[in-house]
Amino acid sequence: DAGVIQSPRHEVTEMGQEVTLRCKPISGHDYLFWYRQTMMRGLELLIYFNNNVPIDDSGMPEDRFSAKMPNASFSTLKIQPSEPRDSAVYFCASRAGLNRVNEKLFFGSGTQLSVL
Amino acid sequence: KQEVTQIPAALSVPEGENLVLNCSFTDSAIYNLQWFRQDPGKGLTSLLLIQSSQREQTSGRLNASLDKSSGRSTLYIAASQPGDSATYLCAVGPTGFQKLVFGTGTRLLVSP
Repeated sequence: DAGVIQSPRHEVTEMGQEVTLRCKPISGHDYLFWYRQTMMRGLELLIYFNNNVPIDDSGMPEDRFSAKMPNASFSTLKIQPSEPRDSAVYFCASRAGLNRVNEKLFFGSGTQLSVL
Repeated sequence: KQEVTQIPAALSVPEGENLVLNCSFTDSAIYNLQWFRQDPGKGLTSLLLIQSSQREQTSGRLNASLDKSSGRSTLYIAASQPGDSATYLCAVGPTGFQKLVFGTGTRLLVSP
């Protein structure tokens, strides 16, 4: 398996523009997580899905952030409009369910977002 | 609210040394604990996972222990190598939830 795949790797945009980050989880994993990492706040969970359904979005900072998972192999995180304070590394991660033997969390390589 | 702290924040050792990284958490009601490694500009790689009913897990030169009652975990790295240089993060999984809470990380540098 190729692991969790994120795109793009780097995104530079201007304030006010819409940004869409993409993620393909590991096949067979039924949980998908979006994290944000900054120097100041470390790793923060934004939202997670179970079987394509959003379970907890309490970490989403504002209404400008939205996430979707239209099918088991694809998820998007959208920021509209983007602001400079959204600059961070955004990670997608996936894992198998709790009742399976291996419950490790697998991360993608991240998207480095810079909002100018 | 669960808080996870890692000490030290940074550590520099010569190659070959054995070392211990520490992780403490405030709420002992956890489902599991994971140790991750993060290389610069990369994502996180899961190293070891300890279930709440377990005391330790081993993988190669790595050994992680868990003491739920005291809210502590340690990651022991034997015979450190320059390739071990990275940031190490621990994360706890609260009982009944999927939301891992991550520690602040320890930045390790192993010099040849």
